[in-house]
This record gives sequence, structure tokens and C-alpha cells, in this order.
Amino acid sequence: ETGVTQTPRHLVMGMTNKKSLKCEQHLGHNAMYWYKQSAKKPLELMFVYNFKEQTENNSVPSRFSPECPNSSHLFLHLHTLQPEDSALYLCASSQEQGPYFGYTFGSGTRLTVV
Amino acid sequence: SQQGEEDPQALSIQEGENATMNCSYKTSINNLQWYRQNSGRGLVHLILIRSNEREKHSGRLRVTLDTSKKSSSLLITASRAADTASYFCATDEAADSWGKLQFGAGTQVVVTP
Repeated sequence: ETGVTQTPRHLVMGMTNKKSLKCEQHLGHNAMYWYKQSAKKPLELMFVYNFKEQTENNSVPSRFSPECPNSSHLFLHLHTLQPEDSALYLCASSQEQGPYFGYTFGSGTRLTVV
Repeated sequence: SQQGEEDPQALSIQEGENATMNCSYKTSINNLQWYRQNSGRGLVHLILIRSNEREKHSGRLRVTLDTSKKSSSLLITASRAADTASYFCATDEAADSWGKLQFGAGTQVVVTP
């Protein structure tokens, strides 16, 4: 394991459901990230948190709502999603947000919207 | 927005051969990183090379960076079946992207025994 744990691993939800993705890291990192990975497309950065403060919202639709209660936990709350939101959602962490830190990724949540 | 583009999109080699993939990017960077992703899993950090560095090694991996050409290469020597994965370059843009990595679409590498 990488030290970044994402739950659940798989999620199937209807377009009217509300669900949450969870990410937890035990690495003592202070920056956390959400990325979306769709088939045949580059990873898309969604949100960045540095020391619990949101520093990036990459024009993500409001049906995705992040929450970072502390430096170790990151959530992505989902509601009224569309089928095109089906993707692998990856959480990552780094020592802090800065130019010389590599990311540690979780294994992802495979989301299917039906 | 995508910054790096990997080439080739796919690469098929036999065990023991070397695998080389390239990454081109558009704007000035603080650093460039390479990651590996096994099918359906998270990405694993391989190497970070800073903009003032030209070459780095890690085990069987060799990364070069040419900032004048805005390109990087990843060489895997003596490949193994376990190297089968997708490889991504990621860039940290120098301008206003402080610590936010932009990933390319990846090179899919298949190593056959």
C-alpha cells in the first residue's frame, strides 16, 4: 500500500443519488489533491488543498463538492451526477503544495453513474 | 489543461529490451516527473527532475530533460514483464501552477516474456 487509502474502491450510483468518496493518508503530508481519470484522456486536476485550505478549483461543476476537515482526510461529495462523470477518481498527497514534491496516489475509486 | 504529451502512445517490446518514451511540453517548468500506472490502479511516482538538471537515474530508469527543446525522455533498461504499465509525464509549470501537476495522456508499454 502507498499510504494513501481511498474508499470505496468501486461505486455505482444513480443520477439522483448522493454519495461521498473518502481519501485518507498516513504520510504526514499537508497537501491533498483530487484528479479525474477518464478513458483515453489525461488526468484532470479537480481540487487542491494545502494545509486544509482549498487552493485550486479547476472549474469543477458544483455537483462535485470537496471537503478537507484536516490534513489527513479528503472527501469528495457527489450529487446529481451525469453518466459522463463515470471515471476513476484518484486522490493524491504531497509533503506540501510546492514545485519539488512528488505525489503519492491512492488506488482510486472507480465510479459508474447509471 | 494538458501540458505534457507522451510519444509513442503505445510501445510493445520483449523482455530484456530497452524501452524509451518521450514527453514534450509547452511552457517553462519548475520540474518534470514520471509516473507509472498499472491497469486500473493509482499512479506510482518514479522520478522527479528539476528544471536545472539534465539527467537522473533510479535503478533501471534514466530520465533526461532538455529545457531548450521542452522535452524529456524516460528510458527503461533491460525491461521485465512487470514493467508492463502506462507511463505518464507530469509537469509543474513555472508560471502560476505552483505545485499543481499537469499530466499527459501516457504511453502504454507492454513487455512480453
